[in-house]
Amino acid sequence: GAGVSQSPSNKVTEKGKDVELRCDPISGHTALYWYRQSLGQGLEFLIYFQGNSAPDKSGLPSDRFSAERTGGSVSTLTIQRTQQEDSAVYLCASSSYTENTQYFGPGTRLTVL
Amino acid sequence: GQSLEQPSEVTAVEGAIVQINCTYQTSGFYGLSWYQQHDGGAPTFLSYNGLDGLEETGRFSSFLSRSDSYGYLLLQELQMKDSASYFCAVTTGFQKLVFGTGTRLLVSP
Repeated sequence: GAGVSQSPSNKVTEKGKDVELRCDPISGHTALYWYRQSLGQGLEFLIYFQGNSAPDKSGLPSDRFSAERTGGSVSTLTIQRTQQEDSAVYLCASSSYTENTQYFGPGTRLTVL
Repeated sequence: GQSLEQPSEVTAVEGAIVQINCTYQTSGFYGLSWYQQHDGGAPTFLSYNGLDGLEETGRFSSFLSRSDSYGYLLLQELQMKDSASYFCAVTTGFQKLVFGTGTRLLVSP
């Protein structure tokens, strides 16, 4: 079946602009996660959804970051007034109710000029 | 807080055996996973240990000691394609993972 997909694959934007990143999880997966990965670094947890609710938003770096999930499926991560330090790869992952394994999408590479 | 420690980099030659260690300190623990990530790619699941002991999957094995808060990933018969970053991750709650900082493995001919 189809894996996790993310769009766009690459996004270049100017400082101060807003961006939206999209994640389509594997069908039927109840949990959805957003991570950020800077070049050569580890995975920084941002937010976790269980269904449409976000029980853990502890990783969002500032109030410029927000995310929503609708219909228990697609999720959008929005970054307002982007800054150069927001440049990174944003990874989305999903998992099913019955397992701990997370399945990752290919990521969106965000570059803020 | 949560912390998982791994070596930043490990080097080895083709055909050798390498062990990547992970020590953890987390507020909850249900199991230890390992993920592989090639440059420019997405992390992919390798193995999971919920109980103490060794799990073997082909050339890869993973070990867990809950009493020592320690685990490792063992890669045997190394191949060039094994050059990648390897992340340990602790399941701290229902469907919640905390990832380590990653170990970059460089395999040379």
